[in-house]
Amino acid sequence: DAGITQSPRYKITETGRQVTLMCHQTWSHSYMFWYRQDLGHGLRLIYYSAAADITDKGEVPDGYVVSRSKTENFPLTLESATRSQTSVYFCASIRASGSTDTQYFGPGTRLTVL
Amino acid sequence: AQSVAQPEDQVNVAEGNPLTVKCTYSVSGNPYLFWYVQYPNRGLQFLLKYITGDNLVKGSYGFEAEFNKSQTSFHLKKPSALVSDSALYFCAVRDLGYGGATNKLIFGTGTLLAVQP
Repeated sequence: DAGITQSPRYKITETGRQVTLMCHQTWSHSYMFWYRQDLGHGLRLIYYSAAADITDKGEVPDGYVVSRSKTENFPLTLESATRSQTSVYFCASIRASGSTDTQYFGPGTRLTVL
Repeated sequence: AQSVAQPEDQVNVAEGNPLTVKCTYSVSGNPYLFWYVQYPNRGLQFLLKYITGDNLVKGSYGFEAEFNKSQTSFHLKKPSALVSDSALYFCAVRDLGYGGATNKLIFGTGTLLAVQP
């Protein structure tokens, strides 16, 4: 029962570099989400996806790009990393459009931008 | 717009004492409310949820939450705290779009629970 995994777990990069954070789930859940966690802000939604090839912006999408060519993968790319993108990033998934379902979270990626 | 508020950044309680972590919500329709817990260096784990029905919801690890519509609150409670309950707790509400409930969650800022032995 692998569930939902993220890689890498820790990443240090420099300003201006491109970084891709990976998210993989084994449940074939339709919906997937990317959040960032910052002190004082809780979790904020960056992007989400309702199915393969369907993505939409969340609350804080600027500076991020997502894709979803396969149901099980939902990579998040920082095109040109900035220090303000230093954060902990969480991927989550939910089975389908049923409103009573629960989101399941990955273990997170701690990203530091120098 | 939907929102949740967690008024306390930190709650301190002695082991064996009851604990309460507060959450209030603001939604335009019927709220779908959730509590999640985050242990250090881990992802969020689901504790419990309120969709409809009984106002007292029971969840994992002995936690429960009371939905109070008149006070727009959904406080998390446990009768007897354990040191192992020390963690970061998040309240969340499901976002409501034009067609009704969506799958997006709106989170509070989190409350750090510290249980002293």
